[in-house]
Amino acid sequence: DGGITQSPKYLFRKEGQNVTLSCEQNLNHDAMYWYRQDPGQGLRLIYYSQIVNDFQKGDIAEGYSVSREKKESFPLTVTSAQKNPTAFYLCASSPRETRGNSPLHFGNGTRLTVT
Amino acid sequence: DAKTTQPTSMDCAEGRAANLPCNHSTISGNEYVYWYRQIHSQGPQYIIHGLKNNETNEMASLIITEDRKSSTLILPHATLRDTAVYYCIVRVAHYGQNFVFGPGTRLSVLP
Repeated sequence: DGGITQSPKYLFRKEGQNVTLSCEQNLNHDAMYWYRQDPGQGLRLIYYSQIVNDFQKGDIAEGYSVSREKKESFPLTVTSAQKNPTAFYLCASSPRETRGNSPLHFGNGTRLTVT
Repeated sequence: DAKTTQPTSMDCAEGRAANLPCNHSTISGNEYVYWYRQIHSQGPQYIIHGLKNNETNEMASLIITEDRKSSTLILPHATLRDTAVYYCIVRVAHYGQNFVFGPGTRLSVLP
């Protein structure tokens, strides 16, 4: 089955530690995205990548870093500089196609708790 | 991207049609309307999208007004599993363009 896999589903870390969230897709999509969701709110864009070895900051990139060394993988590192890292993190992807109106496909998220 | 306005919450009886409205009065000619839903603790699920014509798929129908300033998502026979937060998004059709998710409408399907 094609899809986006985020692991683990739940992650717990101590304050001051960096943590990396995994996102893998086998949909052969070119673009990948990371969003953050806080309780009762919509999604906010952290980083996105349109092609391998390239990525751009979203609206709330401070305290986060990403890499895109392979088309199918887009890991997100939450650094100790992120002031409020506890949140639900969602990874998404979309294909490159002429009309540019393809929807995003989402993984099932990782819930990060930092204490 | 144009801003959307949705009611905070709605109820619907099981088996009845659920009609979820969305206002996007500042939409421009090259912006599509997308609908997603999110069940608690899962990733958003794509439902449907359209430009100006009404669209239908196996999940729902999308009705866009002629002036494109509003739209309605219709779930024809709501079930308890349709209880979710529904997001209406307006976005320029351009590769890599961001999808901006607002707070959405919390739909509760009641038995």
